[in-house]
Amino acid sequence: AQKITQTQPGMFVQEKEAVTLDCTYDTSDPSYGLFWYKQPSSGEMIFLIYQGSYDQQNATEGRYSLNFQKARKSANLVISASQLGDSAMYFCAMRGSLSNDYKLSFGAGTTVTVRA
Amino acid sequence: DAMVIQNPRYQVTQFGKPVTLSCSQTLNHNVMYWYQQKSSQAPKLLFHYYDKDFNNEADTPDNFQSRRPNTSFCFLDIRSPGLGDAAMYLCATSRDLRADQPQHFGDGTRLSIL
Repeated sequence: AQKITQTQPGMFVQEKEAVTLDCTYDTSDPSYGLFWYKQPSSGEMIFLIYQGSYDQQNATEGRYSLNFQKARKSANLVISASQLGDSAMYFCAMRGSLSNDYKLSFGAGTTVTVRA
Repeated sequence: DAMVIQNPRYQVTQFGKPVTLSCSQTLNHNVMYWYQQKSSQAPKLLFHYYDKDFNNEADTPDNFQSRRPNTSFCFLDIRSPGLGDAAMYLCATSRDLRADQPQHFGDGTRLSIL
């Protein structure tokens, strides 16, 4: 079984500043994938970034980067140069490699509000 | 652009009146999923299809059914909607069930029950 914990229910960030969203996880899978999704108020779930458990380097995708610390079981999302359009709910999720762990396990989410 | 398309975007139905939500994909992915998401909560997996193989989650109510007539389309049928079924319903796809495969979501259908 997998568990994802996002401890920040909501965050405010000033436009053009960076923001870090925390995510910790727990799993017994030897191999797993970590994902971040963005969900604006309109409801669509947008895939942002992926980190594999055996990847040596932290994933980056444009203004998104993932601070992956395997020993600490954390996978924090960093959004650089925040824009007003970044205001949304952000979900951390993971997926395991064992046959029963095909499901995408989500954290509770963090609401980010970008201020002008 | 390849994508996951859900119709309609908003659906209103009456208490107890059957309703069907649809999802189509142009990604040619093997797996299609249906999630239910209530306000300020994470999505909850209802079931998924791997090709034609249907996999129901243990806690999915019998009221919820699904059909996948071909690779591209998948439907969610709610036989007798109750007030508690009002939610956002998200369809997603993935190439397969491997841990490194992201799920790609549609825009969702927001279901209201009168």
